[in-house]
Amino acid sequence: QKEVEQDPGPLSVPEGAIVSLNCTYSNSAFQYFMWYRQYSRKGPELLMYTYSSGNKEDGRFTAQVDKSSKYISLFIRDSQPSDSATYLCAMRGLAGGTSYGKLTFGQGTILTVHP
Amino acid sequence: DVKVTQSSRYLVKRTGEKVFLECVQDMDHENMFWYRQDPGLGLRLIYFSYDVKMKEKGDIPEGYSVSREKKERFSLILESASTNQTSMYLCASSLYGGVSPLHFGNGTRLTVT
Repeated sequence: QKEVEQDPGPLSVPEGAIVSLNCTYSNSAFQYFMWYRQYSRKGPELLMYTYSSGNKEDGRFTAQVDKSSKYISLFIRDSQPSDSATYLCAMRGLAGGTSYGKLTFGQGTILTVHP
Repeated sequence: DVKVTQSSRYLVKRTGEKVFLECVQDMDHENMFWYRQDPGLGLRLIYFSYDVKMKEKGDIPEGYSVSREKKERFSLILESASTNQTSMYLCASSLYGGVSPLHFGNGTRLTVT
């Protein structure tokens, strides 16, 4: 079983739709949770970052973490064609030792928002 | 803005060749990473380095080695390229071990024939 499982998609939605992207994980040591966005022919870039359980909002994006269920989500409101990209969840445990920021990634979900 | 530059965008090599992938970052970051990205498998960590001349194996180090002689440069070496190493290779850096985010390059698409 992979440590991090992400709904593979692909996902195709009309402009203006609410998008829900999800990951589950098995390692209870994971404490930091991130979402990266990767446009075609580009490297991933950090979109959202959370530490504790609960919600974090940034504009049209909301990251949700439920540590008790080992489940994280990214919601995109009023989706736009410019949101079309691959979304990767990523997570890690506490710093220290030789972890040095080592992340474990989900498989990625390809999202297309059509006008 | 942090810039992570990978020397080649596309590379085609033959089976058995020794291959060097180069990565340079311009923000004095301590940590550097090499990932490979394959459809359905996401990003998998090959090697990382937390200081000059220091390296740690990631999840899939077999068939690869790395070199970090200078802080800004991290090289990935395929000792004898094989077709199953055909992939997208992504280099990343981060300021220090902790909560600083990874900054990625735009990747090198390697094809081994």
